Amino acid sequence: EAAVTQSPRSKVAVTGGKVTLSCHQTNNHDYMYWYRQDTGHGLRLIHYSYVADSTEKGDIPDGYKASRPSQENFSLILELASLSQTAVYFCASSDTGDTQYFGPGTRLLVL
Amino acid sequence: AQSVTQPDARVTVSEGASLQLRCKYSYFGTPYLFWYVQYPRQGLQLLLKYYPGDPVVQGVNGFEAEFSKSNSSFHLRKASVHWSDWAVYFCAVSLYQGGRALIFGTGTTVSVSP
Repeated sequence: EAAVTQSPRSKVAVTGGKVTLSCHQTNNHDYMYWYRQDTGHGLRLIHYSYVADSTEKGDIPDGYKASRPSQENFSLILELASLSQTAVYFCASSDTGDTQYFGPGTRLLVL
Repeated sequence: AQSVTQPDARVTVSEGASLQLRCKYSYFGTPYLFWYVQYPRQGLQLLLKYYPGDPVVQGVNGFEAEFSKSNSSFHLRKASVHWSDWAVYFCAVSLYQGGRALIFGTGTTVSVSP
């Protein structure tokens, strides 16, 4: 079974502060993804990566940066957190871009 | 543009009754389609996936789905619902471009009554 972990599991941040969400996978998967989940919107793609040291923009990248320092790790960075970024964030990985395996999610509350 | 529509935001079903969740997709070409389930305060887990071939696919826990190209649909079914099926169900389509990212529907919450 694929294993994707995320940290922290929940976080409270202040508006304008910097937030880093981390994702770690132990499956040797090349593809990694960051999604956010909002009520009524399902999951939407923020950034993804198919190789270390390279990231690509997804559908809603504004206000977010991503970093893929190694195959196993993929971070999502909010340089200036805003109220509208309150959401649940999910990381996922896949080998050939096929089935995606999701982490447990991070609940972010920006005040 | 590619999209997935789940027209039912919430469905309530009695335990032991059958369940069908609807999914319509918009996609140029032949899609790869998925159903994921999200249990309370957990991540998403794969129920089943469709690749071009047999239109009926079997998944875990007694779930199955049927692909219809003519109707652009990928409906999920279960013959007899258990209380543990109380969850949110997401239909998704995989993009060939963009690193095969998933486009999700808005989800259907299934509530199970005794």
